[in-house]
Amino acid sequence: DAGVIQSPRHEVTEMGQEVTLRCKPISGHNSLFWYRQTMMRGLELLIYFNNNVPIDDSGMPEDRFSAKMPNASFSTLKIQPSEPRDSAVYFCASSKIGGYYGYTFGSGTRLTVV
Amino acid sequence: QQQVKQSPQSLIVQKGGISIINCAYENTAFDYFPWYQQFPGKGPALLIAIRPDVSEKKEGRFTISFNKSAKQFSLHIMDSQPGDSATYFCAAIMTGANNLFFGTGTRLTVIP
Repeated sequence: DAGVIQSPRHEVTEMGQEVTLRCKPISGHNSLFWYRQTMMRGLELLIYFNNNVPIDDSGMPEDRFSAKMPNASFSTLKIQPSEPRDSAVYFCASSKIGGYYGYTFGSGTRLTVV
Repeated sequence: QQQVKQSPQSLIVQKGGISIINCAYENTAFDYFPWYQQFPGKGPALLIAIRPDVSEKKEGRFTISFNKSAKQFSLHIMDSQPGDSATYFCAAIMTGANNLFFGTGTRLTVIP
C-alpha cells in the first residue's frame, strides 16, 4: 500500500488566493482526519470524516476553511481566501473506524501564504 | 482545553542516555494511549501503544509506563541514539470514539 497520499507537498501562494489541498486515504480505511501543525499550536484537529460524512468540524478555524470527502478515496481541504496566518503544515490521516487502530498520516503539505 | 498534557516541550540527551517524556490526562474514559514519532518533513507515525490494564509495555528500547491512579503515562527511550532525534507525541482515545487527542509534542535531540 502506498500509504496516505497528500498533494501538493509544498504550496506557496499569495494572500487572498484560493488554496486546495488533496488527500487520498489508505484503501479500506473509513475515517479521515485533517490536521494543522504549527510551532505555536502543535497538532490541531481541523475536521474528521467517518464513511465520507463529516463528524466533527469544530476545529475548523473559520468559514474560510472548508473540507469535502466526495468518496472513500479522496478528500480536499480548501482555504478561500488564504491569509499569512494560515501558513502551516497540513496533514491528512486515515484509520479504520472502531477498535484500537492507529492513524496513518500522510507526509503533509507545507503551505506558505505570502 | 488540552485533553492530554505533555512535558517537556524539548529534551536534549546524550547518546546512550535515557530519554523520558511524560503525559497526563483527566478523562478517565480514555482507554488507549498511543505514542507517535515524527521525523522532520514527515507525518507522525505510530510508535508504541498501551491499554490501562497493564502498567508497562516494552518494545525494544521503547517502554511505556502507565499509572492509572495518577492518570499519567510516560515514554522511556533506553540507550538513546542520534537516530531517535524526532518529535514525540502522546495521545489518548476512548472506546467508541474515533478521534485521538494529542499532546503538544516533545522535540528530542540526542547528542552523539
